[in-house]
Amino acid sequence: EVQLLDSGGGVVHPGGSLRLSCVASGFSFGRFAISWVRQAPGKGLEWVATSHVSGNNKYYADSVKGRFTVSRDTSENTIYLQMNSLRGEDSAIYYCAKELVPGAFRYFDSWGQGTLVTVSS
Amino acid sequence: EIVLTQSPATLSLSPGERATLSCRASQSISTYLGWYQQKPGQAPRLLIYDASNRATGIPARFSGSGSGTDFTLTISSLEAEDFAVYYCQQRTNWPAKLTFGGGTRVEI
Repeated sequence: EVQLLDSGGGVVHPGGSLRLSCVASGFSFGRFAISWVRQAPGKGLEWVATSHVSGNNKYYADSVKGRFTVSRDTSENTIYLQMNSLRGEDSAIYYCAKELVPGAFRYFDSWGQGTLVTVSS
Repeated sequence: EIVLTQSPATLSLSPGERATLSCRASQSISTYLGWYQQKPGQAPRLLIYDASNRATGIPARFSGSGSGTDFTLTISSLEAEDFAVYYCQQRTNWPAKLTFGGGTRVEI
C-alpha cells in the first residue's frame, strides 16, 4: 500500500524557516517524482514544488522560487521542503503527493495527510 | 501561464441528480487535464486523468470529457458521499508548472 507521511509543520514568525518532511513507502521511491501542494485555510489548491527523478530536476511555483528548496534522500525514502523567508501568505496545509505515471510529472494519485504551517508574529 | 476557470463555483443538487462541472483552460492543453475530489479535512483524491480516464477505484458514475480548452466532469447520479469540492488541474510543459482551477463545490 502506498503511503506518504508528511510532517514538520508548526508556527513560525515571518522571515523564519521551517523544514517539512515526507516519508514514502509502498512503491519504488526512486522512480517517481514527488511534489508539494498547499492549501491556505478555506482556499483552493496551489502547487508549490516538485522533485523530479530525472537527475537533479526541481521545479518551483513563482510564488516560492528563491525561498523554498525541495530535496530528496533516496536512502531514507524521504522528500524535504526547506522553507525560508516565510511570509503570512505561506500559511497553509502542505501536502506531499506522488505522481501517477513515473516521470510524467502530470497528476497525483497518492497524497499525504497534510501538515499545517502557520506564519504569524 | 495557463489559467483554469471552473464553473459554477457552487452547484446545489439533490442525491440522484446529475452533476455537470466545467473547467475551461485559457489556451489549449490537448487532453492533459485531471480532476480531483476533496472532502472537508481530507487530502484531495484523483478521479480522472488525461481528461477521460478514471483513476483506480473510482466508480463508473464519474466520467470526464473534453479536449483543447473545454472540459467537463459528470457525476451521473449523485450519492451522499459525492458532496465535496472538485478541482481540475493541468501541467504546462515549459516551464514545467502545475495549476489548479478554483474549484466547484457540490452541495445539497
